[in-house]
Amino acid sequence: GESVGLHLPTLSVQEGDNSIINCAYSNSASDYFIWYKQESGKGPQFIIDIRSNMDKRQGQRVTVLLNKTVKHLSLQIAATQPGDSAVYFCAENERGTSYGKLTFGQGTILTVHP
Amino acid sequence: DVKVTQSSRYLVKRTGEKVFLECVQDMDHENMFWYRQDPGLGLRLIYFSYDVKMKEKGDIPEGYSVSREKKERFSLILESASTNQTSMYLCASSWIVGYTEAFFGQGTRLTVV
Repeated sequence: GESVGLHLPTLSVQEGDNSIINCAYSNSASDYFIWYKQESGKGPQFIIDIRSNMDKRQGQRVTVLLNKTVKHLSLQIAATQPGDSAVYFCAENERGTSYGKLTFGQGTILTVHP
Repeated sequence: DVKVTQSSRYLVKRTGEKVFLECVQDMDHENMFWYRQDPGLGLRLIYFSYDVKMKEKGDIPEGYSVSREKKERFSLILESASTNQTSMYLCASSWIVGYTEAFFGQGTRLTVV
């Protein structure tokens, strides 16, 4: 999961396994959350989002879980593939007050071994 | 598809130079953002703009300024580049209303020597 410091958390999995990436967010007033994927040399790309009135949302091979009580977000990737290897960021936003500004976690490196 | 285009992928500048990083988006988004990305620190917001000629400081505005003369274009300016501004710079844009993600450019890797 996410942590303070200069060393990114890492997760190594075998191809075909399920991956779970965790994120602790900071602002209890945040009401919108996004997961981004960043491949080497590219900008972050949107994966999935969730609003605070939900606790689970599913996409294609990905599921985001939100626990507002403990301010925790997770991204589950089913049947992880080598192409999923990247840095994953969670981002939070307080829509009512912040003009769409996103606050990012430090990221988690996912490595998928064939 | 939304496109956010940053003018340069790689830049090398000398200490003390004035540096311009340019970003253009084609989706008529009201919001535009400049982030800086450093290893282990995630993305940190430098400045953002929610309208033409409007700007707001982010979390780390010191040493930077911005310009937004047209809705589609947002420029980041380093008035006098320093070595501690060596970093990856990412531009993003989004709608101002609703629950919607920000779309990112490919990034500019700036090295100040």
